[in-house]
This record gives sequence, structure tokens and C-alpha cells, in this order.
Amino acid sequence: EVQLVESGGGLVQPGGSLRLSCAASGFTVSSNYMSWVRQAPGKGLEWVSVIYRDGSTYYAGSVEGRFIISRDNSKNTLSLQMNSLRAEDTAVYYCARTIVLISTFDAFDIWGQGTMVTVSS
Amino acid sequence: DIQMTQSPSSLSASVGDRVTITCRASQSISSYLNWYQQKPGKAPKLLIYAISTLQSGVPSRFSGSGSGTDFTLTISSLQPEDFATYYCQQSHIKRTFGQGTKVEIK
Repeated sequence: EVQLVESGGGLVQPGGSLRLSCAASGFTVSSNYMSWVRQAPGKGLEWVSVIYRDGSTYYAGSVEGRFIISRDNSKNTLSLQMNSLRAEDTAVYYCARTIVLISTFDAFDIWGQGTMVTVSS
Repeated sequence: DIQMTQSPSSLSASVGDRVTITCRASQSISSYLNWYQQKPGKAPKLLIYAISTLQSGVPSRFSGSGSGTDFTLTISSLQPEDFATYYCQQSHIKRTFGQGTKVEIK
């Protein structure tokens, strides 16, 4: 079964760090684009970051310089290292497979269940 | 960054109604436009990619159209399971979501 399972969420103080993980099954992380998407309580979806098959990474402006996306090919996992956390980073964080469906067109086709990150003192 | 603006933010409709949601990009995104459905407490579900291609398993009452900066999601005959929030998303430059359109029961 194709599945993504996130872990690592929790309560952290402003300025602190947290590392999220996403375990994939049924497909190979390194053979796909993989993304993080977040959703603040009661708000819409916000794209956070993507890692391409070649390892290149891109970030939303709101997290650039503070978050780092990476993958562990041996464990078939995706990670998000979050530093200098702010209250506005409070959200459910989803990992998502970003599949290339036609030529250069990609979309988030497989999602995890999400992990909650709360930044508060 | 490319901004995506959906309208309306919410709408009330009845089962069987035809529903249209629009999405406008702040600059041309060619055909790099996807649509998602999200129900409360659940992860989003991909409905349509590249403007108009239905993801496998998505009912044919869903359709997408548009080009350049203006796009539309249409539900031809609203079903009880379609009450949800819908998001457009561009993948032309980085990725951005619209703010969402909540479809509620009238």
C-alpha cells in the first residue's frame, strides 16, 4: 500500500527547533519529488518546501533560511528540520508525494495524515 | 511569488446544483494548475491536475477549465459527499495554494 506517515510534531518554544519525519511505504522517496505542506488551525493550505529527484530544494519565502528539507534514501524517509520557530509556524504539517503526471506537470497525489506543530511559550 | 485568489470564499448550495469555483493567478501559470478537495480533519485529495485532467477515481461530475491566469472548477451536479473545501494550486514557479472555497449545504 502506498502510504506516508509523519512524526515528530509537538510543542516547542518560540526560537526553538523541531525535526519532522515522514516514512514512505509502497514507493521510493528518492525516485519522486517530495513536499511539505502546512495548515494553520482553521486556515488554508500553505506549501512549505519541495525536494526534487536530483536533490535540489526550494522553499516558501516564509520559511526560507529557517527550514531544511532532506531525505534519507536508506530509510526511505523525508525530513523537515525547522529552526528559529515562530508562533506563525503553528500548523499541521503534511508530507506529500509530488508526482510528475504529464511532462513537467506535477501535483500532490499522496498525503500523510499530518503532524501538529505548536509554537508557544 | 505567484498569488492565487479563489472566489467565492464560501458558497451554499443544494444537492443537484451546478457549482462553479474560480481561481485567478497573479501572473500567467500556463497549464500548471491543480485542484484539491479537503474534508474536515482529513488530508487534501487531488481532484484535477494540469487544468482539466481528472485524477484516477475522481467522478466525472468534476471538471476543470481555463488558461493563463483564470481557471474554473465545476461540479455539474453536487452530491452529499462533495460538501468540502476546495483549493487551487499552481506549480509553475515553486508552489502556491489559493485560500480555499468552502462548499456548504444550503
